[in-house]
Amino acid sequence: EIVLTQSPGTLSLSPGERATLSCRASQSVSSSYLAWYQQKPGQAPRLLIYGASSRATGIPDRFSGSGSGTDFTLTISRLEPEDFAVYYCQQYGSSPPEFTFGPGTKVDIK
Amino acid sequence: QVQLVQSGAEVKKPGASVKVSCKASGYTFTSYGISWVRQAPGQGLEWMGWISAYNGNTNYAQKLQGRVTMTTDTSTSTAYMELRSLRSDDTAVYYCARAKATVTTIWFDPWGQGTLVTVSS
Repeated sequence: EIVLTQSPGTLSLSPGERATLSCRASQSVSSSYLAWYQQKPGQAPRLLIYGASSRATGIPDRFSGSGSGTDFTLTISRLEPEDFAVYYCQQYGSSPPEFTFGPGTKVDIK
Repeated sequence: QVQLVQSGAEVKKPGASVKVSCKASGYTFTSYGISWVRQAPGQGLEWMGWISAYNGNTNYAQKLQGRVTMTTDTSTSTAYMELRSLRSDDTAVYYCARAKATVTTIWFDPWGQGTLVTVSS
């Protein structure tokens, strides 16, 4: 079973700053099967990135994803007020065939 | 627009069952799957399972095998998730999400608004 670890647990930044979020897998993950979601308080998660680096429809280009193997990164180039939220990475593994989420990184206002 | 609308909040006693519905609109229902994800209060996301709306094939999280059943009704574009033998730690917000899962990609988008299930004696 693949376990996802996200770091840091909390990232305190100011609007306009760059955010770099890490997602590390316990074993190699296909880039095709790595996604990122944003969740704001009281709301459902929203898909940001799929296939490790492809932005979902309507997602601003300040959000970008990268990585391969066991190390993946979500970067927000310049934080806007609406970007302060919790971010989860997700992977699909075939043995067993299950989806798993990381524990999340909270980006809050410094 | 693509939308998933879930049924309302439920309060259940330990040992009971709950069935949550998820009505899809704005897309061809049978072209995607539906995945269910839950979130306990103040906690992260936990994947529960997936059902193909095309052929009804299912894949459940090992942790929930034997207690969960996912079904679809293609005539109404509605998916259902039933969880049995409820315990207090099943208290959570339950989400459905349109799911794409192929050999080249996976994603869940969009998500329903969530259904709070409270298990309490």
